[in-house]
Amino acid sequence: GEDVEQSLFLSVREGDSSVINCTYTDSSSTYLYWYKQEPGAGLQLLTYIFSNMDMKQDQRLTVLLNKKDKHLSLRIADTQTGDSAIYFCAESSPPGTRAGSYQLTFGKGTKLSVIP
Amino acid sequence: NAGVTQTPKFQVLKTGQSMTLQCAQDMNHEYMSWYRQDPGMGLRLIHYSVGAGITDQGEVPNGYNVSRSTTEDFPLRLLSAAPSQTSVYFCASTRTLTVPGELFFGEGSRLTVL
Repeated sequence: GEDVEQSLFLSVREGDSSVINCTYTDSSSTYLYWYKQEPGAGLQLLTYIFSNMDMKQDQRLTVLLNKKDKHLSLRIADTQTGDSAIYFCAESSPPGTRAGSYQLTFGKGTKLSVIP
Repeated sequence: NAGVTQTPKFQVLKTGQSMTLQCAQDMNHEYMSWYRQDPGMGLRLIHYSVGAGITDQGEVPNGYNVSRSTTEDFPLRLLSAAPSQTSVYFCASTRTLTVPGELFFGEGSRLTVL
């Protein structure tokens, strides 16, 4: 079955770059996502990448996708204390499988701690 | 703009009791779902619905029931609570024709079963 793996913890100093990594097993994944969960809150979509793209940049965020190795990464430049949160990698399958494209498989989440 | 609203935010139950977690969204989303979040386990899908009158099971449906009588509401029922159901529950919704996977989450309901 589908599986999404992430390391559980990452600690960085304020101002440094953070890189959160994710691997997935479903080669038919059409979209890959990064969600952010702040303490005591629900998840919020941070960014996503379509599977035919290699890279996507959005302000301080850079998403890199290596489809051959099924590896996804999220780089946060100039990490701030407000970036402290749990980051979830997720993938979805093509329409027609698993309730169309709405059903996501989430990783266990990476807890990012930013040291002032 | 309320988005996805879950009630209650906190609940303590005794083993064997039943209860309903409420979820309502005001965005006219067709798709709604329930996840549970446990430490070290990430999010696991319990049940989902692609429209009023249509529900289906996710990864961990045992011990839970759902119904979808309206587009707005998607309650989750625990029939006979067990300690293994102690968790944080999230309701999420999306429009089926937008970017797939852009789920909107509620703030969560923390359930403790003694």
